[in-house]
Formats: sequence, C-alpha cells, structure tokens
Amino acid sequence: AQKITQTQPGMFVQEKEAVTLDCTYDTSDPSYGLFWYKQPSSGEMIFLIYQGSYDQQNATEGRYSLNFQKARKSANLVISASQLGDSAMYFCAMRELTGNQFYFGTGTSLTVIP
Amino acid sequence: ETGVTQTPRHLVMGMTNKKSLKCEQHLGHNAMYWYKQSAKKPLELMFVYSLEERVENNSVPSRFSPECPNSSHLFLHLHTLQPEDSALYLCASSQGSWGNEQFFGPGTRLTVL
Repeated sequence: AQKITQTQPGMFVQEKEAVTLDCTYDTSDPSYGLFWYKQPSSGEMIFLIYQGSYDQQNATEGRYSLNFQKARKSANLVISASQLGDSAMYFCAMRELTGNQFYFGTGTSLTVIP
Repeated sequence: ETGVTQTPRHLVMGMTNKKSLKCEQHLGHNAMYWYKQSAKKPLELMFVYSLEERVENNSVPSRFSPECPNSSHLFLHLHTLQPEDSALYLCASSQGSWGNEQFFGPGTRLTVL
C-alpha cells in the first residue's frame, strides 16, 4: 500500500485566492511526522511546514497551514492569498518513528493564474 | 556555505565514463540521503546513511556506488550508466528523529548520452 497519496496531479488557482492540496497517509506507527515540500522548476526541494502526530493544533507557517485530520489520516496543505511565485510542484511526505526513511507522494503541480 | 550543497549542478556523460556526484551538509545532521527524480516520476529513494553507516539500499543497480566518508559528506560514484539514468539527483540530510525534516540540496541534473 502507498504510504502517501496525493490524488491531484495538477491544480489551478487564481492569484490572491486560497487553495488546498490534498494528502492522505498510511501508517500503523503512533509516532510520525508529516511534511510538505515545494519544488520550483529550478529543482530544489524547499521545506514548507511540519505536523507531528501528537500535535493538537494545526501547524501554520506564514501563508501555509496544515489541515491535520488524524482520524481520517489526512494532512492537507492550505495556501492562502496565492502568489505567482507559488507555482511549483508540492510534495507531501511522512517519516515514521522507526527508521530514517521519508515517504513521498507523487506530488501536485500548482499553477497560479494572474 | 550553509545548508546542503551539491556539485556539479549539471553533468553530461557518456555511457563509458566514470564520474562522481558530491554532497556536503553544513547543518550538523547525522543522516544523509540520495534520491533520483526522473521526469514525471515520483521521488525514488536510493540510499540512506545514518552515522556514516548505510542503512537503506533500495535495489539500486551496482553502477551507482555511494560513499559516506564522514557525517558531512556524501558521494555517488557513477560508472557505465545507461540513458535511462538521466535524471535529477537530489541529496538531503536530516537529524535522526521522526520529528525532523529533511533539507535538500539543489540537485545535479545528469544527462547520459
């Protein structure tokens, strides 16, 4: 089974609007971390936001917030007030308590329309 | 230098060449990773080193040979590659705990002719 599932290959959003990128995960570990990365066309992976499995509140970092629904095993990324520079690939990832491996989803390509 | 650096940024090589990719991290992390990212494919984990010991080797062909001489440096030695090995190769590092994110280098774009 896939550890991380991103069901939206591509998304479009109008500039200044909010957009939600979906991510669901699969693990039986009680301790895990969830991460979102942005990959612009230059190729570098940029860390955006982190949510721990024991965190009671949704993580927020500036215009990024993570909608964490533990019972549904979802960790959606919300980008508010989209900017043209937000156009990129976005990857959801998970790291479990055991091991050093990070599991990545297939990514969502976001295009911000002026 | 800060963060994770990779050299070279671009590499073109023939199938009979031998080359090496270098990764260096200045973050004091104890785990380092090599990933391969082909066009329109998910990120593929190749190797993981923790405290300079290889802990993951995801069925990578022997024409890719990693080396981790210390916790700050990671190499990927390449020999007799195939055209399908053309991809973006990303290096990353992290601290060894589930709550810590990975930091990535800018990647090496490899083209095998």
